[in-house]
Amino acid sequence: DIQMTQSPSTLSASVGDRVTITCRASQSISSWLAWYQQKPGKAPKLLIYKASSLESGVPSRFSGSGSGTEFTLTISSLQPDDFATYYCQQYNSGGLTFGGGTKVEIK
Amino acid sequence: QVTLKESGPVLVKPTETLTLTCTVSGFSLSNARMGVSWIRQPPGKALEWLAHIFSNDEKSYSTSLKSRLTISKDTSKSQVVLTMTNMDPVDTATYYCARIRTAYAYGMDVWGQGTTVTVSS
Repeated sequence: DIQMTQSPSTLSASVGDRVTITCRASQSISSWLAWYQQKPGKAPKLLIYKASSLESGVPSRFSGSGSGTEFTLTISSLQPDDFATYYCQQYNSGGLTFGGGTKVEIK
Repeated sequence: QVTLKESGPVLVKPTETLTLTCTVSGFSLSNARMGVSWIRQPPGKALEWLAHIFSNDEKSYSTSLKSRLTISKDTSKSQVVLTMTNMDPVDTATYYCARIRTAYAYGMDVWGQGTTVTVSS
């Protein structure tokens, strides 16, 4: 199975900061990667699919990049509503796996 | 409007079989390139994908849980059912269903609210 490793696991940042979260796959997954945001007690929300495609309705301050084994989610200017946990998710040969999550906290 | 809603027991006993139902609206389970996934999240832990099923009845399961899971669909009822056998306290979690789209590189664009299942005697 493909393992997904996210870093950091926790990130402290301030409103207006540029934030980058990394996700590494244990083997190449081309661009079969999605990013989600989850707030406490809520279902995850799709932000990015196909590594860099922005889901409809998601603010443009969110962007994704990468291919192969290394991917990043960037928030260009952190807003109060962005404090949450973020997960990457890969698809390969019929199976999916999530990363361990990155919690973005208020500094 | 696309919605998914999970239903099932709140409490199950160890060794019992869990049956969860996902009822969808706003799209058809016969729609090509769309399917339904099940995902769970133990309290305070990360998301874990369990299984998915597509309109052509293509199914896929988590390698670690494959022996315990069965996914099926009833297109006429707009329902997807997941069964998990031999439940254990470590299976206590919130269980979500979500629409999965091949056009989104198997991203999941709409999620249910989740249903919490506790495994305890």
